[in-house]
Amino acid sequence: RKEVEQDPGPFNVPEGATVAFNCTYSNSASQSFFWYRQDCRKEPKLLMSVYSSGNEDGRFTAQLNRASQYISLLIRDSKLSDSATYLCVAHAGNNRKLIWGLGTSLAVNP
Amino acid sequence: GAGVSQSPRYKVAKRGQDVALRCDPISGHVSLFWYQQALGQGPEFLTYFQNEAQLDKSGLPSDRFFAERPEGSVSTLKIQRTQQEDSAVYLCASTTGNNYGYTFGSGTRLTVV
Repeated sequence: RKEVEQDPGPFNVPEGATVAFNCTYSNSASQSFFWYRQDCRKEPKLLMSVYSSGNEDGRFTAQLNRASQYISLLIRDSKLSDSATYLCVAHAGNNRKLIWGLGTSLAVNP
Repeated sequence: GAGVSQSPRYKVAKRGQDVALRCDPISGHVSLFWYQQALGQGPEFLTYFQNEAQLDKSGLPSDRFFAERPEGSVSTLKIQRTQQEDSAVYLCASTTGNNYGYTFGSGTRLTVV
């Protein structure tokens, strides 16, 4: 079992839809969590960090549930430009190593 | 430069050939990471430097893989006697020591034929 698991999708949604991605992690020592976005044949780029209190950045909301070891990303009013792979990432320990999920593929259709 | 620079962007190597991949991190970034990303997978950790010290190399898949960062800035990932299973995108990321704002380079796509 991978340390960070995501539904690979693909998620196909129309423009304007709300879509939610889920991610679970197995290492209870994980301390920090992130969502990265990766476009086809491009490098991953940080989308947002995830905090226990939840955080929102425009149309994007991230939530962390430590008790259930569960992370979510909500995208509201989805745009064509949101089409990408969304990678869930956990960080544990002092070595600053990131543990990545396989990514969830999103396609927003006109 | 403003970002993490990796070269070459693409590399085709014949099986058995040695390759060297370069990463030029953001100036002043203390920490540098190498990741390997196979097609359809998330990045997998290879190794981590803090300044010139290689603090973790647990992800290097075999002793054919070697990384160095002799002056605490530019890093080189060397793969000896390349095999087909080494074909992947090799990503370099750097960050300051105080936050988790990792910045990734564009990667080197290695194809071993």
